[in-house]
Amino acid sequence: KQEVTQIPAALSVPEGENLVLNCSFTDSAIYNLQWFRQDPGKGLTSLLLIQSSQREQTSGRLNASLDKSSGRSTLYIAASQPGDSATYLCAVIPLSNTGKLIFGQGTTLQVKP
Amino acid sequence: ETGVTQSPTHLIKTRGQQVTLRCSSQSGHNTVSWYQQALGQGPQFIFQYYREEENGRGNFPPRFSGLQFPNYSSELNVNALELDDSALYLCASSLVGSRYNEQFFGPGTRLTVL
Repeated sequence: KQEVTQIPAALSVPEGENLVLNCSFTDSAIYNLQWFRQDPGKGLTSLLLIQSSQREQTSGRLNASLDKSSGRSTLYIAASQPGDSATYLCAVIPLSNTGKLIFGQGTTLQVKP
Repeated sequence: ETGVTQSPTHLIKTRGQQVTLRCSSQSGHNTVSWYQQALGQGPQFIFQYYREEENGRGNFPPRFSGLQFPNYSSELNVNALELDDSALYLCASSLVGSRYNEQFFGPGTRLTVL
């Protein structure tokens, strides 16, 4: 059974700091991996999608990496800003069922001015 | 391009009642998935609809049911509401056969069961 874990559960950093959020998954048979952002009480905004054959994706100050063999992904945020404060969720689509996303519990990030 | 929309935004029901939540998929998408997100948790997959039929289901009881309409919009119905059904219900649409199978989420419906 695929399980997704995110560490840490919460993180507080001063503005301007570079930071890394971690995601691990137990089964390497994935179709792709997505990182999402969620503001309190709101829906999910897709940040980056990495196909299983890719190693990383970049968008602006965000960079996501994927190491399928070790079951790990990281989301790197450069020069953090208070507007980056949100919950970040990692999710995988398993090869066994490409219709569903399996989510971690998220990392809640606070960037202090 | 119209994004995913959900209605209503908030809903309060009492235990034992029934509720219907609605979702309109993003323009050009043919698949709708529903997720339940309890407070402080990641979303949990309920089911997916493709071509008006259920196409995969998570670990949810039969009192959770759904429909997909010819225009690809969808409904989630929950019967005999329980207190633990209080959650944010998220709808996501995607296009089967697309290269990335990326899912796009709506803003959610906050359901409170008293």
